[in-house]
Amino acid sequence: GNSVTQMEGPVTLSEEAFLTINCTYTATGYPSLFWYVQYPGEGLQLLLKATKADDKGSNKGFEATYRKETTSFHLEKGSVQVSDSAVYFCALSDHIAGGTSYGKLTFGQGTILTVHP
Amino acid sequence: DAGITQSPRHKVTETGTPVTLRCHQTENHRYMYWYRQDPGHGLRLIHYSYGVKDTDKGEVSDGYSVSRSKTEDFLLTLESATSSQTSVYFCAIKPGEGNTEAFFGQGTRLTVV
Repeated sequence: GNSVTQMEGPVTLSEEAFLTINCTYTATGYPSLFWYVQYPGEGLQLLLKATKADDKGSNKGFEATYRKETTSFHLEKGSVQVSDSAVYFCALSDHIAGGTSYGKLTFGQGTILTVHP
Repeated sequence: DAGITQSPRHKVTETGTPVTLRCHQTENHRYMYWYRQDPGHGLRLIHYSYGVKDTDKGEVSDGYSVSRSKTEDFLLTLESATSSQTSVYFCAIKPGEGNTEAFFGQGTRLTVV
């Protein structure tokens, strides 16, 4: 079956530090990969996505590259801000050739990020 | 705003009672989902729907049932609530076909005492 593994948190950084949150996956078909962010008390918001190998997703200074050879989709940001403090989820939606994709998401366990001034 | 409304937003109920959570969308999207969020597990799929009266089980469907009699509403029912069903429940919708992104509601925090 499909699975997503994220680096364990919590992650605590100072403002302007470099951020990496590792994500690796296992999928049987041709997955699309996503990073979602959840701010306190809110639902999940899509941060970025990539739909095929070597695609780079980017948004709000965050980036992640779909690496099929290493089955990874690591999230990076060059300079974090206090406002980036949130929970980050890596997720995949699989598609099997010749089959129907229902868009079901498989999530990692989430990584709590805290950024201090 | 993806036009998703979950109700109620918070609920406390007693063990053994039935509970129904509602997800309402305003965009007439075909695909709707119910997930639960628990510490250390991320989000896990309970049930999903791909059209009116078309539903299927997800990863953690035991103890839950769903109904979709109208495109805009997807109901999740806990037939007899247990403490293990204390969780935050999220509804999601997915516009379009294929592996496009899903959009999530604000969540319902359910506590079973």
